[in-house]
Amino acid sequence: EAQVTQNPRYLITVTGKKLTVTCSQNMNHEYMSWYRQDPGLGLRQIYYSMNVEVTDKGDVPEGYKVSRKEKRNFPLILESPSPNQTSLYFCASSSWGGSTDTQYFGPGTRLTVL
Amino acid sequence: KQEVTQIPAALSVPEGENLVLNCSFTDSAIYNLQWFRQDPGKGLTSLLLIQSSQREQTSGRLNASLDKSSGRSTLYIAASQPGDSATYLCAVSQNIQGAQKLVFGQGTRLTINP
Repeated sequence: EAQVTQNPRYLITVTGKKLTVTCSQNMNHEYMSWYRQDPGLGLRQIYYSMNVEVTDKGDVPEGYKVSRKEKRNFPLILESPSPNQTSLYFCASSSWGGSTDTQYFGPGTRLTVL
Repeated sequence: KQEVTQIPAALSVPEGENLVLNCSFTDSAIYNLQWFRQDPGKGLTSLLLIQSSQREQTSGRLNASLDKSSGRSTLYIAASQPGDSATYLCAVSQNIQGAQKLVFGQGTRLTINP
């Protein structure tokens, strides 16, 4: 089954404690991205990757890092989380071949930073 | 900068009614437009994707139209059912410096009353 998986699904942590949210897709997609969703602000892109070792900033990259060492994985790293990073996070992937590419989303990770 | 607006923000209708959700965007230079469904606390499921060269797409009781020149899209849901209750998001895809970028509207929260 084609899918995007994220772990953990729920996470409560404290300010300053480094954490990683994993994302994996089994569709051999080149393009992967991370979004955060906040009430009243909608979905905003954090980082994206067009292929292995190719990453770039989205609209709200501050406080986040990513890496793309393998095609299937795209972890999101919060080196020193702060309460304003409390949010619902989504990973997404798609092939990059033009206008027909549907983005597939993971189930989301709800992060609370105390 | 691309902006996507969805009206209304919330809609409540009795079961069986046909309904229309609206999406507008400010920059007509898009690759495609997608409609997604999001259930509470869950990820996004792609419903329909309309390429920039197309005028509409249909899937079951759903029909999405695209008028790129006027920056508008509509999602028509026929014979609504309680199971259609969810938040519906539209997103436009643009090519920004070789990368696919999705810009989302804030969604319409739909409630179908039995």
